[in-house]
Amino acid sequence: EVQLVESGGGLVKPGGSLRLSCAASGFSFSNAWMNWVRQGPGTGLEWLGRIKTNLEGGTTDYAAPVKGRFTISRDDSRDTLYLEMNSLRTEDTGVYYCSLDWGSGWLWGQGTLVTVSS
Amino acid sequence: QSVLTQPPSVSGAPGQRVTISCTGSSSNIGADYDVHWYQQLPGAAPKRLIFRNTNRPSGVPDRFSGSKSGTSASLTITGLQAEDEADYYCQSYDSSLSGWVFGGGTKVTVL
Repeated sequence: EVQLVESGGGLVKPGGSLRLSCAASGFSFSNAWMNWVRQGPGTGLEWLGRIKTNLEGGTTDYAAPVKGRFTISRDDSRDTLYLEMNSLRTEDTGVYYCSLDWGSGWLWGQGTLVTVSS
Repeated sequence: QSVLTQPPSVSGAPGQRVTISCTGSSSNIGADYDVHWYQQLPGAAPKRLIFRNTNRPSGVPDRFSGSKSGTSASLTITGLQAEDEADYYCQSYDSSLSGWVFGGGTKVTVL
């Protein structure tokens, strides 16, 4: 069974940094394209970025609002996906999900809450 | 404002049919990129409902169906049930943005 478990969320001040993790199991993580998606309070889903497999160079792509501030990486030896977030703003507040591109839609973790507030 | 446009809400009585539209453009749905649909129950993570326009994962009831035409896609619930009260999101790829885009979400209310 595919499992994605996010962790690392919490309260951070504007301008601060945070690193989220997503532990994966139940599938071949090294062969998977992985994504981060967030959901603001009472709002919809927003794609943040994607990382391809290391065999494909671990290429990353980012949405405009987070490009240059957020970095996605992966550690295939630990089956773990990361999201490094810097220069955080109040509008970055929300639940952050990691998602697996299953080729037949995406599978989702339960999310981790990030609150950016002074 | 979302790249894919969905109605904010739809409602229906138990047993009725409701349809949720997802309108895109020539750089996403109209460029023949697939559309996926997700259901998000209150307080839960999104769950895939329809993939590649018309396909249901195993375990999803057959009262859920999807279609796609031109720059739009639709999700239809035939025989609405109380447990279908949730938010529904469409998703596609956008070549102009070089990334994935979601609709703004549609809240389904069972009267």
